[in-house]
Amino acid sequence: GQQVMQIPQYQHVQEGEDFTTYCNSSTTLSNIQWYKQRPGGHPVFLIQLVKSGEVKKQKRLTFQFGEAKKNSSLHITATQTTDVGTYFCAGRYNDMRFGAGTRLTVKP
Amino acid sequence: DAGITQSPRHKVTETGTPVTLRCHQTENHRYMYWYRQDPGHGLRLIHYSYGVKDTDKGEVSDGYSVSRSKTEDFLLTLESATSSQTSVYFCAISESRILKDNSPLHFGNGTRLTVT
Repeated sequence: GQQVMQIPQYQHVQEGEDFTTYCNSSTTLSNIQWYKQRPGGHPVFLIQLVKSGEVKKQKRLTFQFGEAKKNSSLHITATQTTDVGTYFCAGRYNDMRFGAGTRLTVKP
Repeated sequence: DAGITQSPRHKVTETGTPVTLRCHQTENHRYMYWYRQDPGHGLRLIHYSYGVKDTDKGEVSDGYSVSRSKTEDFLLTLESATSSQTSVYFCAISESRILKDNSPLHFGNGTRLTVT
């Protein structure tokens, strides 16, 4: 079936290092959304990408949607301890499918 | 955060017993969803509702039923709980139909269910 594959599953970085998580689909997506879930919390919507090749920024976070609308990435520049959590992508086919998430831990 | 309340927050139950989880919203959003979250699987849609008494199945609906008698309340029932239904359950709402439109999901705080 339609799936969104997300890698890596875990990422541990030193504070100040960069972080990237990737989502890939075997078929074209209508759009992709990104969510962040803090430890013990609930997913919170970050952003949505709709257009081919779209790039959006939120402070230190950069989101990209591939030209073929089959992949997306979230890049965090100079991580901080407040970035800790699990980042999920959710891709839209006929319905919305979530990736398995990338759990980010940051060492001060 | 959107006004979404899930109850109970934690539940331990025995295999074979019925369990009902409640989601209450104060946003007057038309669309409500139940997801389960398991390690390695992300969030998977169980059932959703697009209005009072209007519901449909999601990706992992077997063993679950739902009801929506009022706009603000969406109930998830496990008729006979099994250990495979041990999970964290999230309710979500959206202004428009997430499955077809671009609205983001707003999640409740979740219910941690353990079936022994």
